[in-house]
Amino acid sequence: GDSVTQMEGPVTLSEEAFLTINCTYTATGYPSLFWYVQYPGEGLQLLLKATKADDKGSNKGFEATYRKETTSFHLEKGSVQVSDSAVYFCALRAGSYQLTFGKGTKLSVIP
Amino acid sequence: DAGVIQSPRHEVTEMGQEVTLRCKPISGHNSLFWYRQTMMRGLELLIYFNNNVPIDDSGMPEDRFSAKMPNASFSTLKIQPSEPRDSAVYFCASRPPGSGTGELFFGEGSRLTVL
Repeated sequence: GDSVTQMEGPVTLSEEAFLTINCTYTATGYPSLFWYVQYPGEGLQLLLKATKADDKGSNKGFEATYRKETTSFHLEKGSVQVSDSAVYFCALRAGSYQLTFGKGTKLSVIP
Repeated sequence: DAGVIQSPRHEVTEMGQEVTLRCKPISGHNSLFWYRQTMMRGLELLIYFNNNVPIDDSGMPEDRFSAKMPNASFSTLKIQPSEPRDSAVYFCASRPPGSGTGELFFGEGSRLTVL
């Protein structure tokens, strides 16, 4: 079945550090890929998405590239801020009605 | 525009009591999902409705859980009787028709604590 594996957290970075959160997937066909972000006490909200191979999704300084050859969708940001502290979820949709989520990676950014 | 609205935001109850969680999806959305989030298991899909009809309830843990969607603007998730292991954050999410990529819009969640 479809599955998403993302790096275990928590991840703690200093402000302005470079961020990478790894995500790999297993799916039949050609899935759409997503990163969702959950700020403390809130629901999940879409951060970025990519719908086909080599697409790059970007938003708020975050970006991720759909790599079909490595079945990956790693999240990156060049310079994190304290306000980026949240839990990040990688997800995919492969032809069915539902999204399959990874377990989430908690990011803490310290000043 | 109003997002997905869930109530209550927090619920503390005692084991054996009935719990009802409520969700109002975004107007015009025709798909509704209930998820449960715990530290141990992450996000689990409980049930999926399309056009108010339950399509997949295979994620509902057991008969103590039930969900309804009497109309396009309201859904409930009921636990009766509740148990401490039901303690979690329950999220409702909705999706518009014809959403090719499948983006979901989540509510802020209902945090349930069963003592």
